[in-house]
Amino acid sequence: NAGVTQTPKFRVLKTGQSMTLLCAQDMNHEYMYWYRQDPGMGLRLIHYSVGEGTTAKGEVPDGYNVSRLKKQNFLLGLESAAPSQTSVYFCASSYPPGQGTGEQYFGPGTRLTVT
Amino acid sequence: DQQVKQNSPSLSVQEGRISILNCDYTNSMFDYFLWYKKYPAEGPTFLISISSIKDKNEDGRFTVFLNKSAKHLSLHIVPSQPGDSAVYFCAASDTGANSKLTFGKGITLSVRP
Repeated sequence: NAGVTQTPKFRVLKTGQSMTLLCAQDMNHEYMYWYRQDPGMGLRLIHYSVGEGTTAKGEVPDGYNVSRLKKQNFLLGLESAAPSQTSVYFCASSYPPGQGTGEQYFGPGTRLTVT
Repeated sequence: DQQVKQNSPSLSVQEGRISILNCDYTNSMFDYFLWYKKYPAEGPTFLISISSIKDKNEDGRFTVFLNKSAKHLSLHIVPSQPGDSAVYFCAASDTGANSKLTFGKGITLSVRP
């Protein structure tokens, strides 16, 4: 099992450019999440999905869009990148509440720099 | 409004001694608590969890204590090892709300050989 994988690992964008971050999981998890981690801020939830075809906003959704067309994939899009979106992005997946241990499994992260 | 607080940004302990990492929360709806460990350039990995129906959960060298009345939990690592040096995140969940986790800002633990 690969667990949770993220593509790409690193990326540098110019202000105004767009890109898509791909997350894939092979654990058949229903729930998937996108977080960003900034120095001194911990992990903040951007968007999440409770199943294929569903998405919902998290704590910091502005400037991002997501899609969950397949159960195993969760895409995070930046339509017009801004320097404030320079961050490390983590994807995670989990079972629904009441199943498993309640833990979320994280990918290795994508380091994005917007200049 | 920060609902999960890890007020100490860093902790340094000697190898073999106890490490105590603290976490406070404000949301009384939280009923499940987790600790994650994160090494540089890696994603967080699950360490240990505790449900609000318990006040202690132990797994090897790691023990988590929950004091619901004080809205406080702590992670004890005994004995501490240099490989435990990492950032530790406390997280809390209201299991009735789509399993979303709210994370603290993390604490950097350094274990000196």
